[in-house]
Amino acid sequence: DQQVKQNSPSLSVQEGRISILNCDYTNSMFDYFLWYKKYPAEGPTFLISISSIKDKNEDGRFTVFLNKSAKHLSLHIVPSQPGDSAVYFCAASSNFGNEKLTFGTGTRLTIIP
Amino acid sequence: NAGVMQNPRHLVRRRGQEARLRCSPVKGHSHVYWYRQLPEEGLKFMVYLQKENIIDESGMPKERFSAEFPKEGPSILRIQQVVRGDSAAYFCASSPRFGGNTEAFFGQGTRLTVV
Repeated sequence: DQQVKQNSPSLSVQEGRISILNCDYTNSMFDYFLWYKKYPAEGPTFLISISSIKDKNEDGRFTVFLNKSAKHLSLHIVPSQPGDSAVYFCAASSNFGNEKLTFGTGTRLTIIP
Repeated sequence: NAGVMQNPRHLVRRRGQEARLRCSPVKGHSHVYWYRQLPEEGLKFMVYLQKENIIDESGMPKERFSAEFPKEGPSILRIQQVVRGDSAAYFCASSPRFGGNTEAFFGQGTRLTVV
């Protein structure tokens, strides 16, 4: 029962272009969403989050968009840099982020120089 | 990220042995979460602890697994009588307050291999 889905296991993007990572969820109780970046042999690092009362949140090169009606969110990275190559996990929580995280299976992003 | 210390980084156990995974949270953090990542999967929640209390253990298998976060010392995830299916990466995260997911730092994980 995968409540948070990342349907693209991998994505390759040219350096300087936009990377778009997608995430879908099924649980209507989720109201807080987070993106994590993970390098091999390291723990996940928090990137950016969004509450269900917003539809967009921006932090530097990273923007997260939330479409509640479609139960879909996306992470945009622009411009993409070689250091962005990592596995990206989408995560969701309820009670405005005060509950445990439910993670997607991750998307491996490779930035091509 | 570097503030949460997990040890050991790698742990090999034979079937039937016990595995003890330790997590020292960021100084001043009183909330600890444990997650497990099976190969090719995302992280799955196991347990959420506050000092001396288990807040949510809904993700913990009912048997063989236990967790504690004593008043003094690290949080311990204990797996008794390990089986092959317990082989995974176990991550600990700590936060300074209840539900502080955006302020939670993850450790580098313990990779458990059961042979």
